[in-house]
Amino acid sequence: DSGVTQTPKHLITATGQRVTLRCSPRSGDLSVYWYQQSLDQGLQFLIQYYNGEERAKGNILERFSAQQFPDLHSELNLSSLELGDSALYFCASSEGSNTGELFFGEGSRLTVL
Amino acid sequence: AQTVTQSQPEMSVQEAETVTLSCTYDTSENNYYLFWYKQPPSRQMILVIRQEAYKQQNATENRFSVNFQKAAKSFSLKISDSQLGDTAMYFCLIHEQGAQKLVFGQGTRLTINP
Repeated sequence: DSGVTQTPKHLITATGQRVTLRCSPRSGDLSVYWYQQSLDQGLQFLIQYYNGEERAKGNILERFSAQQFPDLHSELNLSSLELGDSALYFCASSEGSNTGELFFGEGSRLTVL
Repeated sequence: AQTVTQSQPEMSVQEAETVTLSCTYDTSENNYYLFWYKQPPSRQMILVIRQEAYKQQNATENRFSVNFQKAAKSFSLKISDSQLGDTAMYFCLIHEQGAQKLVFGQGTRLTINP
């Protein structure tokens, strides 16, 4: 158990819809990272937050947004969903903003029909 | 741009053999961390081993060791006495202290055959 909790584990929705994925980092970790992993693909970095502030942005679509709340949990919002958004979305946390090991959640599997 | 290259999309060895997975990276930073993560069929991401760039000594964790060549920007993973449970996707990761992005390699699918 990494200590990182992601909900929901599985989500099936239709094109055009909007979903929210939630991540609770490990206790004490200030950084949260979001990654997207499509079928048989590598991990695409989406965005990083540190202590409530956006720190880095990767290949995140404009239809996607995220935030980190004062209690350090984070949410990834995906809107106007397309078939190609079907993927496993990972959240990871680390203690600092730019050092150390990433602890991964089990991922949220999104299926867009 | 920060890049990580894993040149072996797939590898397959027999149980108990030794296997080496390659990883090369590009960075302009002097201070960074390197990691190998494994992703078994369960899809959980699990840390295998880490290496701080300022340390010359290669990291070792039981059957797992790395060959870190800083000048060549190479970070290979050696798995000794491979076991069936080592079957997984293996990802190389660089974490620069200066930059904020973390970049994974494309992954190597390793299969250990009985």
